[in-house]
Amino acid sequence: DTEVTQTPKHLVMGMTNKKSLKCEQHMGHRAMYWYKQKAKKPPELMFVYSYEKLSINESVPSRFSPECPNSSLLNLHLHALQPEDSALYLCASSQEGSFGTEAFFGQGTRLTVV
Amino acid sequence: AQTVTQSQPEMSVQEAETVTLSCTYDTSESDYYLFWYKQPPSRQMILVIRQEAYKQQNATENRFSVNFQKAAKSFSLKISDSQLGDAAMYFCAYRSKEYGNKLVFGAGTILRVKS
Repeated sequence: DTEVTQTPKHLVMGMTNKKSLKCEQHMGHRAMYWYKQKAKKPPELMFVYSYEKLSINESVPSRFSPECPNSSLLNLHLHALQPEDSALYLCASSQEGSFGTEAFFGQGTRLTVV
Repeated sequence: AQTVTQSQPEMSVQEAETVTLSCTYDTSESDYYLFWYKQPPSRQMILVIRQEAYKQQNATENRFSVNFQKAAKSFSLKISDSQLGDAAMYFCAYRSKEYGNKLVFGAGTILRVKS
């Protein structure tokens, strides 16, 4: 199983809503990532979890709150988002401690903030 | 800071022909990996090929090969016998021991394949 599964695939939320994005992998990877991607742009790193601990936060606004409940799951909690936060949110995972290995990406959640 | 530059926003190729996508990078490190990822309209990023900086030999994966010029900090992707399914956004990416889990992406190149 070399899959990273993200749910939901599409999400529309109002600026006052609270929602969560979910990501799951069963490859035994101990590094997990959240990226934000705007149309025709490269992914921008938001957060990295290493062994279930937050290791990198790329100065992301606090309206985005990541959580890693266990080694297979990664969540991104969303609250009071702005329309400019509309984007494709990608989850990825990779082996920890081996920087030459492949990062596996999910299909993403297309988020629209209205 | 490490930077990755893809200077071709868009490229086109006729089916069955060969196309080369360019990538240059800037780093002061000696131990790193370079990657080409493909992102089709389905949105999922898929690894195409990877190259370790210490290896002289250019990586090859079926119809995909790279031209890695370490001194010039160049890492181009050659796609031979192009197929309609190759149409996608291609990203060059860099990852190093110093930066651990960070993948640094280039701006991407949209590849169109004409039938």
